Amino acid sequence: SYEVTQPPSVSVSPGQTASITCSGDKLGEKYASWYQQRPGQSPILVIYEDYKRPSGIPERFSGSNSGNTATLTISGTQAVDEADYYCQTWDTSTAVFGGGTKLTVL
Amino acid sequence: QVQLVQSGAEVKKPGASVKVSCRASGYTFTNYDINWVRQATGQGLEWMGWMNPNSGNTVYAQKFQGRVTMTRITSISTAYMELSSLTSEDTAVYYCARRLGGTCAGDYWGQGTLVTVSS
Repeated sequence: SYEVTQPPSVSVSPGQTASITCSGDKLGEKYASWYQQRPGQSPILVIYEDYKRPSGIPERFSGSNSGNTATLTISGTQAVDEADYYCQTWDTSTAVFGGGTKLTVL
Repeated sequence: QVQLVQSGAEVKKPGASVKVSCRASGYTFTNYDINWVRQATGQGLEWMGWMNPNSGNTVYAQKFQGRVTMTRITSISTAYMELSSLTSEDTAVYYCARRLGGTCAGDYWGQGTLVTVSS
């Protein structure tokens, strides 16, 4: 079955740019989505179809997907962005999540 | 506004089944697939499958095939996920999520239902 891999943790200073990667075989040929999840809360969709932002998601969130890697970029990271982030893709009508990345803003 | 409201927490014994409901409002229920996702405590998200509320067609993750059943009652805009032969490894928060258009992305999520399996 298809798998995608994320780094367990990423750290960033406030105001700097955070990049979270999601790797999988020929992932660039599939669509990637990204979710933010704060402790005790339901996930929130922040990027879908590689780079599209749902309404209400700040412009500082952006996405890209090429080759074997999808990337979620958070520009001007704020303390409120500290959360777990999950990538998701689908292959042959089934979906799969990455293991998640804990973003620490310090 | 779009809302997905799930049923309350459940405690089940090993070997039993659990049925979680997800009531949709604020949109036409039959126009969007429903994803089911679970998350064990301290763990990541795990996709279980999805259902088309219009046709009732389902796609299940291979891991859950034979043990999960996703159904709906369109007249009350409610989706259901039933998981059988429960073990302690099924202890998790179970989420429903509306599937956005032709993607696999879930754009609106329920609040989650904690299912605890314990003897």
